[in-house]
Amino acid sequence: SQTIHQWPATLVQPVGSPLSLECTVEGTSNPNLYWYRQAAGRGLQLLFYSIGIDQISSEVPQNLSASRPQDRQFILSSKKLLLSDSGFYLCAWSSVSGYTFGSGTRLTVV
Amino acid sequence: AQSVTQLGSHVSVSEGALVLLRCNYSSSVPPYLFWYVQYPNQGLQLLLKYTSAATLVKGINGFEAEFKKSETSFHLTKPSAHMSDAAEYFCAVSSFGNEKLTFGTGTRLTIIP
Repeated sequence: SQTIHQWPATLVQPVGSPLSLECTVEGTSNPNLYWYRQAAGRGLQLLFYSIGIDQISSEVPQNLSASRPQDRQFILSSKKLLLSDSGFYLCAWSSVSGYTFGSGTRLTVV
Repeated sequence: AQSVTQLGSHVSVSEGALVLLRCNYSSSVPPYLFWYVQYPNQGLQLLLKYTSAATLVKGINGFEAEFKKSETSFHLTKPSAHMSDAAEYFCAVSSFGNEKLTFGTGTRLTIIP
């Protein structure tokens, strides 16, 4: 069966520090992968999506970047975090049956 | 372009009462429509989806939704609310050949004992 792993579950980082969130998928090959951010009261915003290794599309300009070094690995990064980067980050993969989401990472930038 | 509007960021219903969460969509092509539920500090779980088959879609936990093209709506209902239904609910739209989902801003459902 297909599963998606996302870590860490929670993270508190100071302003200006780097960030690396990792997401891995099992049980499928060549999935479409996504990073969403959920800010309080603002629903889910698509940040990045990827249709294959090293193929990343950015949906909104921001302080974040994404990489896909392996078929089933998707990484969200930042060189210097801003306060506005705080939120709940969700990784997902899609198939014809719909989306499967990871359990999310709660990031608080202090 | 596609968009989703969820009317009501907060909805409260009494336990045992009807649950109605509203969703209207905009899409230039025939849409695929989804409802997801999110419990606190968790990811999203698929409740149900419409992909151009039957217009009345039944999902998990007793929820169902009806696709009404004339009204561009996909409202979520449940005949009798349970305390465990308290969560945030998201409506989303995509289209055939484009798997990217566009989400609404969500509706937080509170159940009153």
